[in-house]
Amino acid sequence: AQSVTQLGSHVSVSEGALVLLRCNYSSSVPPYLFWYVQYPNQGLQLLLKYTTGATLVKGINGFEAEFKKSETSFHLTKPSAHMSDAAEYFCAVSGPSGTSYGKLTFGQGTILTVHP
Amino acid sequence: GAVVSQHPSRVICKSGTSVKIECRSLDFQATTMFWYRQFPKQSLMLMATSNEGSKATYEQGVEKDKFLINHASLTLSTLTVTSAHPEDSSFYICSARSGTGPYEQYFGPGTRLTVT
Repeated sequence: AQSVTQLGSHVSVSEGALVLLRCNYSSSVPPYLFWYVQYPNQGLQLLLKYTTGATLVKGINGFEAEFKKSETSFHLTKPSAHMSDAAEYFCAVSGPSGTSYGKLTFGQGTILTVHP
Repeated sequence: GAVVSQHPSRVICKSGTSVKIECRSLDFQATTMFWYRQFPKQSLMLMATSNEGSKATYEQGVEKDKFLINHASLTLSTLTVTSAHPEDSSFYICSARSGTGPYEQYFGPGTRLTVT
């Protein structure tokens, strides 16, 4: 079984400030981890993903995330927030095999607000 | 590349009628498509997984006779909500995965269904 917990349903930052969105996961198999962004009334866009290899992954729009197995975390960061980053962000986990193969389990989402 | 479309983007129907939502992969062949449901201010919940040419696999608690899924070709999957009721009102999102990787899902823009 897999689960994802996103700490903080709302995060507010000033433009230019650090963005940190927290994600912890639970998985009985080595996980594949993802961050998606959703703008209002739209589908999801993949920001970045971790499958194997380097634990620090870089994505689009200046975002990056680090897989920390010991902490079962996959927090999303961006050094300097931009107004266009305001959206809802979802962390998701998938398994590489078995019943969880290819099936995404999403966290509850974090709404990011960026103030001028 | 990897574009997924959904049609319609919005639909309003009367209680008791059926509604069909189409999901198309525009520039790749989707061996697997997923259907999600998203309630306001909530996360995505996987409804079913469909593989081209075979019956869909529904998640626990999802009524297969109410949510009919057809994946007749490598570029098209349809979700039909039968005998719709107001509680079926939701945002329905599909995603598609090609056969080249176990984890990459591309999401459609979603369909807003309102049942009156």
